[in-house]
Amino acid sequence: NAGVTQTPKFRVLKTGQSMTLLCAQDMNHEYMYWYRQDPGMGLRLIHYSVGEGTTAKGEVPDGYNVSRLKKQNFLLGLESAAPSQTSVYFCASSRGTGLGNIQYFGAGTRLSVL
Amino acid sequence: EDQVTQSPEALRLQEGESSSLNCSYTVSGLRGLFWYRQDPGKGPEFLFTLYSAGEEKEKERLKATLTKKESFLHITAPKPEDSATYLCAVQVNTGFQKLVFGTGTRLLVSP
Repeated sequence: NAGVTQTPKFRVLKTGQSMTLLCAQDMNHEYMYWYRQDPGMGLRLIHYSVGEGTTAKGEVPDGYNVSRLKKQNFLLGLESAAPSQTSVYFCASSRGTGLGNIQYFGAGTRLSVL
Repeated sequence: EDQVTQSPEALRLQEGESSSLNCSYTVSGLRGLFWYRQDPGKGPEFLFTLYSAGEEKEKERLKATLTKKESFLHITAPKPEDSATYLCAVQVNTGFQKLVFGTGTRLLVSP
């Protein structure tokens, strides 16, 4: 039972480069989320998806794009990386958002932008 | 603005020394409060959900309680394997029911 799997685990980029982070879940969850975690700050929501083919902006969406072409996958893209995007990125999924719905997290991707 | 504050930022205990972590919140509409555990280099792992004031939940050495303004995570007779960062998050009812996270409490339990 894999749960939520994120790839890659680590990445170093130069300013201006692009990359895509992949999140896959095997729990048949409808909702998926991308967060970033920075020192001294709580997890902040970047983008989320309420189902296949749908995405929406979270708290800190600037500089990121997302796509959810398949229910089990949620991709986070950085078109032109900036040092301010150095962070740990977490993907999560949940069955829904009502009472009792728990968000399950992946192990994270550690990204450094030089 | 919805806000979650956790204290202390860091806590060092001796094995067997019980203590409590605090999570205070000011939110527009609380739907639930979540506790997660996060080990270094890993993602948050779900522990508890609390929905209403007075509710309590227990799991091994951990007990979570909820009042109208705060939640406590009580750790009874901790062991070194309880060392981790404990995150609190509140689910707020603002259209999309998002989670607002605190910055966490880093717990270190020494043998």
